[in-house]
Amino acid sequence: KNQVEQSPQSLIILEGKNCTLQCNYTVSPFSNLRWYKQDTGRGPVSLTIMTFSENTKSNGRYTATLDADTKQSSLHITASQLSDSASYICVVSLGNQGGKLIFGQGTELSVKP
Amino acid sequence: NAGVTQTPKFQVLKTGQSMTLQCAQDMNHEYMSWYRQDPGMGLRLIHYSVGAGITDQGEVPNGYNVSRSTTEDFPLRLLSAAPSQTSVYFCASSYSNLGSYEQYFGPGTRLTVT
Repeated sequence: KNQVEQSPQSLIILEGKNCTLQCNYTVSPFSNLRWYKQDTGRGPVSLTIMTFSENTKSNGRYTATLDADTKQSSLHITASQLSDSASYICVVSLGNQGGKLIFGQGTELSVKP
Repeated sequence: NAGVTQTPKFQVLKTGQSMTLQCAQDMNHEYMSWYRQDPGMGLRLIHYSVGAGITDQGEVPNGYNVSRSTTEDFPLRLLSAAPSQTSVYFCASSYSNLGSYEQYFGPGTRLTVT
């Protein structure tokens, strides 16, 4: 079954600290992996999109990694800010079925002052 | 560019009522889709469209209808609302559903069915 699992479910960190969110997937065939940020009451916003051949991609303080062999991805947030408080969603796109997206449940990140 | 817009932002319905959730995009995207987001679950695809006049079912289509008469608009109709349809609904658009094209999401419609 095509699944995307994220951990931890929730995380609390202090402002200025770094953190890493994990994503494991059992999706086949694989097309690409995406990380989204979803602020409370808003729609998801794309952070990164990585294809099979890319193993790291950055967007400002956000760095995503992809290990296609172990089917794992991580999102590293550097020097966290209060505005980083949000849900972070890992999404894998299928290589067939019209590029169907398989969504993870998200990691709820809270950054405290 | 306004991006993807959705109306209304909030809606309360009684069981059995019908309504239409509106979605529009001004980016000339061919691919549009509707998702629902429920607590503790990932977003689930309801219906999608790869272009004007073409629609297809996603993984949870029951109780919903869609049409795509123009590239810009993709309304979602609830035929006879049920409490199980209480959810947050997101419309999204993309240049294509294939490849690594970015998906743009609307702000969502929070629907409560009593």
